[in-house]
Amino acid sequence: QVQLVQSGAEVRKPGASVKVSCKASGYTFSSYHMHWVRQAPGQGLEWMGIIKSSGTTTIYAHSFQGRVTMTRDTSTSTVYMELSSLRSEDTAVYYCAREGVATFYFDYWGQGTLVTVSS
Amino acid sequence: QSALTQPASVSGSPGQSITISCTGTSSDVGGYNYVSWYQHHPGKAPKLMIYGVSSRPSGVSNRFSGSKSGNTASLTISGLQAEDEADYYCTSYTSSFTYVFGTGTKVTVL
Repeated sequence: QVQLVQSGAEVRKPGASVKVSCKASGYTFSSYHMHWVRQAPGQGLEWMGIIKSSGTTTIYAHSFQGRVTMTRDTSTSTVYMELSSLRSEDTAVYYCAREGVATFYFDYWGQGTLVTVSS
Repeated sequence: QSALTQPASVSGSPGQSITISCTGTSSDVGGYNYVSWYQHHPGKAPKLMIYGVSSRPSGVSNRFSGSKSGNTASLTISGLQAEDEADYYCTSYTSSFTYVFGTGTKVTVL
């Protein structure tokens, strides 16, 4: 069965960086894109970006450009999302979500990773 | 890219039907048939309920249906049940090759 298992909760100080992982299993990793979505406390879902199945193409939401980097490691079927220059507003639950190539929807989601930014 | 507009809350009694709207622009909802809907219970991962405007994944109840007219997509839940109480989000592919979520709607079963 398809599973996306994310790394555990993180606490960072303002200005630091965080790297969240999402390990995939139960399907052909190289055949699917991966997205990252976050939800700040009391807020809605926010799309952050996509790393395509090729691993060489990324598209980021304008609001995160310059601060976010998404990578994937085919050897371990793991996708990473690194967010830098953290501020308190980045406190949120971060989700990875799978997309079948050219399907334009997210069919499986990770369990979420809470990132807390606090001095 | 501005979030798609959804009503903050919608409520209904068990057995009733409710509809949640999702309004965007011709650069997202109106320009593509790539609107999907997600059910989100707090503390859990979102669940895909509708994709491609009106298609339902296997395992999702046929009480959930989707449609679109112009720049507005809609999710209808018929035969409302207590377990349907959750937050619902629409999302759309955009002309910038990105995605945008709706503002979210809290569904309450009275």
